[in-house]
Amino acid sequence: AQSVTQPDIHITVSEGASLELRCNYSYGATPYLFWYVQSPGQGLQLLLKYFSGDTLVQGIKGFEAEFKRSQSSFNLRKPSVHWSDAAEYFCAVGAQDFGNEKLTFGTGTRLTIIP
Amino acid sequence: NAGVMQNPRHLVRRRGQEARLRCSPMKGHSHVYWYRQLPEEGLKFMVYLQKENIIDESGMPKERFSAEFPKEGPSILRIQQVVRGDSAAYFCASSPSGFQPQHFGDGTRLSIL
Repeated sequence: AQSVTQPDIHITVSEGASLELRCNYSYGATPYLFWYVQSPGQGLQLLLKYFSGDTLVQGIKGFEAEFKRSQSSFNLRKPSVHWSDAAEYFCAVGAQDFGNEKLTFGTGTRLTIIP
Repeated sequence: NAGVMQNPRHLVRRRGQEARLRCSPMKGHSHVYWYRQLPEEGLKFMVYLQKENIIDESGMPKERFSAEFPKEGPSILRIQQVVRGDSAAYFCASSPSGFQPQHFGDGTRLSIL
């Protein structure tokens, strides 16, 4: 069974500073990996995804993530955060098995931006 | 192109009542997933459906919970005889196939009095 760990429950960064959110996964084969963002009272918006190929993937809103198989990680990065990036961020893993398309989510990282 | 539509956005029920949550997938999407989010937690998978078929219900509680996705109309998540522990946000997601990114609705916040 797959699992996801997001070790940081809450991160605070200054506006304009760089950001890295950590995500480690456990899955026996090559996973599908996703980052979603959730604003309060809202649903989840897909930031980016990794299915195969280039291990550095670009997403919306200036985010990127790098898949490192050796470290079982898929960390999310942004070079310069904006106040509007304050939200909850979820990493998720999906299996590549037919009939097992569900996503397994981490517990999330809450991002606070200070002026 | 409308996104995943969930209604109601907020639902209040008393203990013992039934809760019915509806989800209309994005146009062209035939795969529907339901997830539950408890306060301060991530989303937990409940059930995966295609039209008229339950594909994976491994995350569904064995009792009181059921889901359907009929040939016509929205997917329905039904919770019978609700209890306080059912209070949560319930999210529906859809995708055009099983290996495409899932697009999420804004959720239904269920409160049990």
